[in-house]
Amino acid sequence: EVHLVESGGGLVKPGEYLRLSCTVSGFTFSSYTMNWVRQAPGKGLEWVSSINSGSTYMYYEDSVKGRFTISRDNAKNSLYLQMDSLRAEDTAVYYCASPPPWCTSTRCHFDSWGQGTLVTVSS
Amino acid sequence: DIQMTQSPSSLSASVGDRVTITCRASQGINYFLAWYQQKPGEVPKLLIYAASTLQSGVPSRFSGSGSGTDFTLSISSLQPEDVATYYCQNYNSPPYTFGQGTKLEIK
Repeated sequence: EVHLVESGGGLVKPGEYLRLSCTVSGFTFSSYTMNWVRQAPGKGLEWVSSINSGSTYMYYEDSVKGRFTISRDNAKNSLYLQMDSLRAEDTAVYYCASPPPWCTSTRCHFDSWGQGTLVTVSS
Repeated sequence: DIQMTQSPSSLSASVGDRVTITCRASQGINYFLAWYQQKPGEVPKLLIYAASTLQSGVPSRFSGSGSGTDFTLSISSLQPEDVATYYCQNYNSPPYTFGQGTKLEIK
């Protein structure tokens, strides 16, 4: 069974940074595109970023381009999100999400989700 | 970028009713459309992928249809446990946009 555990959330001030981590078990992490999705309090789901298996393609939602950096360490089965120049509007629960085991392309739905980590940006 | 528009934004129906939620993509996305269910305080759960394929373990009262730009999620007979917010998502190409959500309640 696929298991994803996010960590690294917390309370920071505007302009500060955080690094989120997602540790994955239960499947061959290195074969799959991985994703970050966020949800602001009381709001809907928002896709944030995706990275392919070999880290050759990274994609970002427009509002985080230039501030967030997605990366992965396949040897550690870990996904990361470096979040710089944080803004109040980045306040959200951040989820990592993975595709089903049979989908190794970038064109995959999100089959498994972690429990999320809360990021709060406030002065 | 592809925009995903769901309707309605909220919906109230009676137990046993047939419920339909629509999702429209601003550009064609073939059949690369997923539906998720999120109950209050819970993590999103995949219901349907490839527009019409039911995820394992999801009750058969849920169904999906459509391709290109217009998609539908249907619940054939609404149950109390179906109270949730439902989201569609484009995964044809990035940005992998979600719809704004449809909040479903029991009348």
